[in-house]
Amino acid sequence: AAGVIQSPRHLIKEKRETATLKCYPIPRHDTVYWYQQGPGQDPQFLISFYEKMQSDKGSIPDRFSAQQFSDYHSELNMSSLELGDSALYFCASSLGGSSGNTIYFGEGSWLTVV
Amino acid sequence: SQQGEEDPQALSIQEGENATMNCSYKTSINNLQWYRQNSGRGLVHLILIRSNEREKHSGRLRVTLDTSKKSSSLLITASRAADTASYFCATAIIQGAQKLVFGQGTRLTINP
Repeated sequence: AAGVIQSPRHLIKEKRETATLKCYPIPRHDTVYWYQQGPGQDPQFLISFYEKMQSDKGSIPDRFSAQQFSDYHSELNMSSLELGDSALYFCASSLGGSSGNTIYFGEGSWLTVV
Repeated sequence: SQQGEEDPQALSIQEGENATMNCSYKTSINNLQWYRQNSGRGLVHLILIRSNEREKHSGRLRVTLDTSKKSSSLLITASRAADTASYFCATAIIQGAQKLVFGQGTRLTINP
């Protein structure tokens, strides 16, 4: 079965640069979530979208922005990168924003800021 | 503060033994989902248990939920070396949209 696809899997950026992560949800899923997992930490919720509208917002820095497009894929844009942004970024998807269904995660995108 | 706390933080057992991991949370939930994560890899969904359910099984996995105590447990029976991973519970809160809040995870090591 198709899973959540994230790209790139790995990227290295310098401080103050910009990075963009892409996420393709499971087909027919209308809700996308972004999480950040620092080394040895649990995943932290950043932001979510349902039917292309922002549905919830967590601890996402103002330097970060995200959107969900008409084909339901999502992009997380990170600007003015800091060393502390180095983390594993997960995208996840589910069907129905508030229906309490299973949330499936991608393999993640490793971001290293040097 | 963290919604979920897991206990123990690390667990090491012999292959073939059963492993039990516990998760406590603070607020009312819609459902609770357990995930497995191999080092540096993605989060693999294991089981979803809804707030009106008390127990669910999937293969060698058994999950219980006690909403009165705000706690859940994950039991892995007849453990295998391949079960070595970190296990996270995530509580689903629905306030308009569903959001998962993760616990700190249990690092499980199965010794051959």
